[in-house]
Amino acid sequence: KNEVEQSPQNLTAQEGEFITINCSYSVGISALHWLQQHPGGGIVSLFMLSSGKKKHGRLIATINIQEKHSSLHITASHPRDSAVYICAVNTGNQFYFGTGTSLTVIP
Amino acid sequence: DVKVTQSSRYLVKRTGEKVFLECVQDMDHENMFWYRQDPGLGLRLIYFSYDVKMKEKGDIPEGYSVSREKKERFSLILESASTNQTSMYLCASSRQYSPLHFGNGTRLTVT
Repeated sequence: KNEVEQSPQNLTAQEGEFITINCSYSVGISALHWLQQHPGGGIVSLFMLSSGKKKHGRLIATINIQEKHSSLHITASHPRDSAVYICAVNTGNQFYFGTGTSLTVIP
Repeated sequence: DVKVTQSSRYLVKRTGEKVFLECVQDMDHENMFWYRQDPGLGLRLIYFSYDVKMKEKGDIPEGYSVSREKKERFSLILESASTNQTSMYLCASSRQYSPLHFGNGTRLTVT
């Protein structure tokens, strides 16, 4: 069973393109998280959302609680955005993770 | 800034050895987790702990045990390492309803 589904699994974009990664979940949540992992690197938290929208620089995360869906947008993508992006949901003490979206931004 | 420190970045062990992976966090977080990360499978929960001396099995606890004697330290133990335990192991900590903070991971190879 997959409590969290992400799409696409892999994404290649040209520098400057607008990117969207989608996440759907099937459980009741207290919050949704977007995480980033660069090749060979650790995992860092980008956003924690329980409603609406958050923005940090060129990254925007939105969540629709009724539809159990979230999106991560990257505007004006750059090669340094190349990483795996992971959606995770928080149900109290537990977290459930998507399998990640591998993004490659080509100069 | 929260720091989650894993004792080793790379580890090579032989089949049958007992392996200890240590994790320390410095922010007084109640919750600590051990995950393994494998290509195509994402992050899978091995064990978690929400308090000292408390532990709960995750999705894949077989072949592993844990110890949490102090709030800041959560240890993962492979009683008898096997080749199918070759993986990236990630420790994380959090407060309830707060973001997860990850360590840099330990890449374990069992030969």
